[in-house]
Amino acid sequence: EAQVTQNPRYLITVTGKKLTVTCSQNMNHEYMSWYRQDPGLGLRQIYYSMNVEVTDKGDVPEGYKVSRKEKRNFPLILESPSPNQTSLYFCASSSGQSNTEAFFGQGTRLTVV
Amino acid sequence: GENVEQHPSTLSVQEGDSAVIKCTYSDSASNYFPWYKQELGKRPQLIIDIRSNVGEKKDQRIAVTLNKTAKHFSLHITETQPEDSAVYFCAAIGGNNRLAFGKGNQVVVIP
Repeated sequence: EAQVTQNPRYLITVTGKKLTVTCSQNMNHEYMSWYRQDPGLGLRQIYYSMNVEVTDKGDVPEGYKVSRKEKRNFPLILESPSPNQTSLYFCASSSGQSNTEAFFGQGTRLTVV
Repeated sequence: GENVEQHPSTLSVQEGDSAVIKCTYSDSASNYFPWYKQELGKRPQLIIDIRSNVGEKKDQRIAVTLNKTAKHFSLHITETQPEDSAVYFCAAIGGNNRLAFGKGNQVVVIP
């Protein structure tokens, strides 16, 4: 089954404790991205990657890191989480063409206390 | 980069009536305009999309129209049903190949 898988689904952590949210896709997609969803603000792009070893900042990259060592995986790293990073996070992938469907993971609900 | 605005933020309709959501975009180089539906507690999923060489596209009760001159596009849902209640996001891919989303519309279908 074609899918984008994120882990964990839910995470509660403390300020300053490094964490990683994993994202994996099995569709051989070139393009992957991370979004955060906050009430009233919609989906805002954090980082994106157009291929292996190619990453770039989205609209709200501060406080986040990513890596793309393999085509299928695109982890999101919070080196020192803060309460304002409490949010719902979605990973998405697409085939890389500029006009194709983005497939979303099931989301990760992160709470930083 | 691309900026997508979406109106209204909340829309309530009686079951069976039509719903229309409008979006505007800023980048004249944008060429792909998808619409995503997000049900409560679930991930966004594509419901329909339109490319810049087309003015209108229909899929059963859903249609999307695009006006490139005015830089706006709209989602039309006819004969609304309770399962149409969700948040709807419009989006556009601009000249930088990035997918930019609007802030979303909460559609409530009243039985």
